[in-house]
This record gives sequence, structure tokens and C-alpha cells, in this order.
Amino acid sequence: EVQLVESGGGLVQPGGSLRLSCVASGFTFSKNEMTWVRQAPGKGLQWVSTISGGGGTTYYADSVKDRFTIVRDNSNSILYLEMRSLRGEDTAFYFCAKDMGRRGYNFDYWGQGTLVTVSS
Amino acid sequence: QSALTQPASVSGSPGQSITLSCTRTNIDGDYNLFSWYQQHPGSAPKLLIFEGSQRPSGISDRFSASQSKYAASLTISGLQAEDEADYFCSVYVGSSASVAFGGGTRLTVL
Repeated sequence: EVQLVESGGGLVQPGGSLRLSCVASGFTFSKNEMTWVRQAPGKGLQWVSTISGGGGTTYYADSVKDRFTIVRDNSNSILYLEMRSLRGEDTAFYFCAKDMGRRGYNFDYWGQGTLVTVSS
Repeated sequence: QSALTQPASVSGSPGQSITLSCTRTNIDGDYNLFSWYQQHPGSAPKLLIFEGSQRPSGISDRFSASQSKYAASLTISGLQAEDEADYFCSVYVGSSASVAFGGGTRLTVL
């Protein structure tokens, strides 16, 4: 059974940093692109970042480029999102999601999400 | 930057069929591969449709979808109370290897 479990969220002050983790199980982690998607409370979904299976290629939304870094540890099946210079607009639930490996991006499994609150 | 527009809300009665729309603006990228997700309150999104009209295993055939180059639609037939949820469309933007999501449609089953 595929499982994705995020952790690392919490309250952080503007300008602060946080690292989110997503522990994956139930599939061959290194074979799938992985993505972070966020959702501000009561709002829609926003794609944040995607990393290739080997970790060598990364993509970012303009709103987080140069502030967030997506990394993966294929040995331990863990996906990370390193966030710095956090802003109020980064407040959201952050979901990690597995791509199903078809054309385009299609996220067939999601974690339960971890809440990041940026506030003083 | 691609943008996807969805109606904010729709409603239907049990047993009815209902169609949700998703319109793409700003031509950007070579791909036009729409996906659809269902999200119940407090839960993670669930993939319903990929590559415009394909259902992942385990998704009811009450969910069907189609797309043109600039728009997509999701039809739910035999509406059930459990279908009450938010529905998001998404499209892959090839030029930036990114994903654009629509704002979501809240479906209410009367």
C-alpha cells in the first residue's frame, strides 16, 4: 500500500525557515517524480515544486523560486522541501504527492498534508 | 502563465448527472493534458481523471471526462451524497514543466 506521510510543519515567523519531510512507502520511490502542492486554508491548490526520480532535475513555481529547495533521499525514500525567507502568503497546508508516471503530471497518491503558518 | 477557470459552485440532486467545466486561458506550452481531482473537507485530493479522460483503477465509472484544446469537462452521473466535495481541474504546462490548477468547484448534492 502506497503511503506518504508529511511532517515538519508549524508556526514560523516571517523571514524564518522550515524543512518539511515526506516519508514514502509502498512503491519504488526512486522511479517516480515527486511534487509538493500547497493549499491555503479554504483556498485552492497551488503547485509548488517537482523533482525527478533521480533528484537531478527540479522545477519551481515562480512564487517560491530562490526561496524553496526540493530534495529527495532515495536511499531512505524521503522527500524534503526546504523553505526559507518565509512570507505570510506561504501559509498553507503542504501536501507531497506521487506522480503516476504518465504524460504530464498526475498525482495518484497524496499525503495527509502538514500545516505551515507564517505569522509573527 | 496558464490559468484555469472553474465555476465556484454547482449543485444537483441525487441521481442526476452534472457536468463541471474548466476553461484554459493564455496559451502556454505544448501540452493540453487535463486532470481532475476530488477533495472532501479535511482530506487530501484524490485523482479522478488523467490524460483528459482516463480513470485510475478504483475510480467509479460514474466519473467521466472529455477535453478540447482549451477546455475540459467532468461529468458525474448518478449523483450521490458522497460526491459532495470540491473538484479541481489541472493542466500540465510543458513550457515550464509546471502544473496549473483551477480554482475549484464546490459541488453540493441537494
